[in-house]
Amino acid sequence: KNQVEQSPQSLIILEGKNCTLQCNYTVSPFSNLRWYKQDTGRGPVSLTIMTFSENTKSNGRYTATLDADTKQSSLHITASQLSDSASYICVVMAGGTSYGKLTFGQGTILTVHP
Amino acid sequence: DAGVIQSPRHEVTEMGQEVTLRCKPISGHNSLFWYRQTMMRGLELLIYFNNNVPIDDSGMPEDRFSAKMPNASFSTLKIQPSEPRDSAVYFCASSFSVRNEQFFGPGTRLTVL
Repeated sequence: KNQVEQSPQSLIILEGKNCTLQCNYTVSPFSNLRWYKQDTGRGPVSLTIMTFSENTKSNGRYTATLDADTKQSSLHITASQLSDSASYICVVMAGGTSYGKLTFGQGTILTVHP
Repeated sequence: DAGVIQSPRHEVTEMGQEVTLRCKPISGHNSLFWYRQTMMRGLELLIYFNNNVPIDDSGMPEDRFSAKMPNASFSTLKIQPSEPRDSAVYFCASSFSVRNEQFFGPGTRLTVL
C-alpha cells in the first residue's frame, strides 16, 4: 500500500533556529515528491517539486532533499521566522500506470516562538 | 491573475440538503483538482480533471458526491444529500498539467448540521 509518513507530528522551535522535517514514503513507481506549506485557514502553497534525478532543491530558506533509493525526503528550514509557523505537508506522486495519483502525508505542524 | 477562486467561502447547511461548491481555476491551467481536508484524515484528493475530462475519481467517497467541469474556467463539486460527516474544508487547485505546481484556492468550509 502506498504510504507517506512524516515526522515529527509537531515541532516547536525558537525564532532564528534551524529545523528539519522528515518524510518517508513507499509509493512505487515514483514520479515526484512535493512539499507544501499550509498556513492556518489557508490553502497549501507549493514549496518544491522534486523528481527522481534531483537530490536537493532550494526555495529561499527552504531546502528539500530527496534520496530515491531509501525513499526518504527532508525539508530543512534555515534561520526560522515567526511566519514559518504552519503545517508542512509531504506529497508523493506515483508514476507508471498510476501516473498522477497523489499520496499525502499527515503533515508536520511547526510552531516558531519569538 | 486573481488565483484560484472558490465560492462560497463558508457554507452551513442541514443534513439532507444539496450542496454545490464552485471553482474557477487560473486562466490557462489545464488540470483541476478537488480536495477535502479534515483534522482526522488530513488532505485527500477527491477527483481531478485534465482538459475538462475527469481522469481519476477514485477519491470520491461515494455516489453522493459528483463533480463536473463544463468548460475550462469552471468546475463544481456537488454533494446530494449532504451528511454531517461531509463537514470539512474543500479545496480546489489548478495547474498547467498534472506534473506541474498546483495552486490552491482559499477553500470552502462546509458544515453540515
